[in-house]
Amino acid sequence: EAGVTQFPSHSVIEKGQTVTLRCDPISGHDNLYWYRRVMGKEIKFLLHFVKESKQDESGMPNNRFLAERTGGTYSTLKVQPAELEDSGVYFCASSRTGNYGYTFGSGTRLTVV
Amino acid sequence: RKEVEQDPGPFNVPEGATVAFNCTYSNSASQSFFWYRQDCRKEPKLLMSVYSSGNEDGRFTAQLNRASQYISLLIRDSKLSDSATYLCVVDDNGNKLVFGAGTILRVKS
Repeated sequence: EAGVTQFPSHSVIEKGQTVTLRCDPISGHDNLYWYRRVMGKEIKFLLHFVKESKQDESGMPNNRFLAERTGGTYSTLKVQPAELEDSGVYFCASSRTGNYGYTFGSGTRLTVV
Repeated sequence: RKEVEQDPGPFNVPEGATVAFNCTYSNSASQSFFWYRQDCRKEPKLLMSVYSSGNEDGRFTAQLNRASQYISLLIRDSKLSDSATYLCVVDDNGNKLVFGAGTILRVKS
């Protein structure tokens, strides 16, 4: 099966600009997660979708971050406006319901300058 | 205090050595436990789940001690290809992974 696909792999934007990250989960995986690793820190949970519904968004840092999963397929994570501290690697993961087999995408490396 | 604590290392070991990593977690209600492996600039990949009874997969053995809130990973007969960052990961509520900062392993010939 195809893995979790993230786009773009790298993005460099200026402070104040908007960036949209995309994640295509494995087909049939109802659960979709966003995680982030900022420089020198551990990977941290951002939010969890079950199909198109946000199950848990307790990890979203602030209202500059907006995640959507229309139709319960792919998801987007928009940062608007981007700040310097948003730089890091954003990982998406997916899993089947009741199965702890998370599969991670290769990540989007975001640099805000 | 971090939710999941690991020794960052690096652990520098020769090929063939046995190396052990430890991890502690703070949430006694945590449900599931894992070791992930992450290569440089790559995504985390599941190495193995960890059970109280202990589990083994080839050269890798994982152990969980719920009373002490302690997780371990033992790698026997280290290979050059084992060089990576090993992430101790706890699933707090069935759908939220909490990662340790990782332990760096370098296996040298």
